[in-house]
Amino acid sequence: DQQVKQNSPSLSVQEGRISILNCDYTNSMFDYFLWYKKYPAEGPTFLISISSIKDKNEDGRFTVFLNKSAKHLSLHIVPSQPGDSAVYFCAASPLNQAGTALIFGKGTTLSVSS
Amino acid sequence: DVKVTQSSRYLVKRTGEKVFLECVQDMDHENMFWYRQDPGLGLRLIYFSYDVKMKEKGDIPEGYSVSREKKERFSLILESASTNQTSMYLCASSTRDRVYFGPGTRLTVT
Repeated sequence: DQQVKQNSPSLSVQEGRISILNCDYTNSMFDYFLWYKKYPAEGPTFLISISSIKDKNEDGRFTVFLNKSAKHLSLHIVPSQPGDSAVYFCAASPLNQAGTALIFGKGTTLSVSS
Repeated sequence: DVKVTQSSRYLVKRTGEKVFLECVQDMDHENMFWYRQDPGLGLRLIYFSYDVKMKEKGDIPEGYSVSREKKERFSLILESASTNQTSMYLCASSTRDRVYFGPGTRLTVT
């Protein structure tokens, strides 16, 4: 059974608009969450993280929101740019085990059109 | 900067061949991983290692083995390649709170 779910396989957005990528998790032991971005023919790269002591973390155009009661997090990209077109993976783990117990979702492919 | 390198970006092998995928990390990380990525299936863990000569099965270890003789090097072995092992293979190493990926090897088995 999937512990980390990204229910939207794909998302299309126009340049300059907001992209919202969603992720749900089922394991209440998860308290650390990361987003990775992957271009074709490249390895995933770390984008942003959040621990359960926060409900928001911001880094430039990227903001991650965490709703612990709903076991839901979302990644907002504002404004979206064509270079943001990639696969985005949500990942989760207990904080002290992120280096060995990271569970990934199946990914959402974001397409940003100009 | 953490660097994880993989020996090949693209490989084409025949069914039944033995295939070696090599991975090296330069940050003295104890943990290393092999994943495969397939469309619609996300990142699936094949094997991981938390120390030299130690290995643990991940979610899909069948048809694969691994070797970790040195801390910086983690090898994935396909004993007898099959067409269903055509995939993108990603090596990674990790600190306590982050996983770092290599560039990937696109393996095609014909």
